[in-house]
Amino acid sequence: KAGVTQTPRYLIKTRGQQVTLSCSPISGHRSVSWYQQTPGQGLQFLFEYFSETQRNKGNFPGRFSGRQFSNSRSEMNVSTLELGDSALYLCASSPPLQWAGEETEAFFGQGTRLTVV
Amino acid sequence: DQQVKQNSPSLSVQEGRISILNCDYTNSMFDYFLWYKKYPAEGPTFLISISSIKDKNEDGRFTVFLNKSAKHLSLHIVPSQPGDSAVYFCAAAETSGSRLTFGEGTQLTVNP
Repeated sequence: KAGVTQTPRYLIKTRGQQVTLSCSPISGHRSVSWYQQTPGQGLQFLFEYFSETQRNKGNFPGRFSGRQFSNSRSEMNVSTLELGDSALYLCASSPPLQWAGEETEAFFGQGTRLTVV
Repeated sequence: DQQVKQNSPSLSVQEGRISILNCDYTNSMFDYFLWYKKYPAEGPTFLISISSIKDKNEDGRFTVFLNKSAKHLSLHIVPSQPGDSAVYFCAAAETSGSRLTFGEGTQLTVNP
């Protein structure tokens, strides 16, 4: 079974540009979440999509947006890039729960390293 | 407001000894806790989890302890191996499968 795939792995953009990152979840997983990792900040939750709907959103400005397609693949977009947006962007997918209270975990991709210059 | 905190940015132990990584949380709605391990240039990989109805969960060399009254959990690795050297993240969720809130991570170094 293929894991979570994120593309591209590395990206260099200039301040003011916009960028789109892609995530393909594990087959059968319908929940996709995005996280930003910066040094000393851990992983900060961006948003979660489930069945093409944003189910949850973290405390990030409106420049950060996302969407999910009918095949569960997800994209996140950052517009008007700032130097502080340089980070590792991680996508995670989760399997559907078979019953309430079932224990599961999120499976992460390798991330996209974004550098804004 | 950091709802999940890992107060030790780094920890160094000798091979064969016990590694204890700590995590504190403030949100009493958190009901499910996980530990992830992360190597450089890779995504986090799941290690072990615990739900709030338990106070201990074991998986091989890894044991997670949960103290709900103190809002504290810890990960014990016994015996520690050099391959365990990585950044360990504590995460919490209100229910299994819901959004994860992560701590800042602890860099564990196991010296041969």
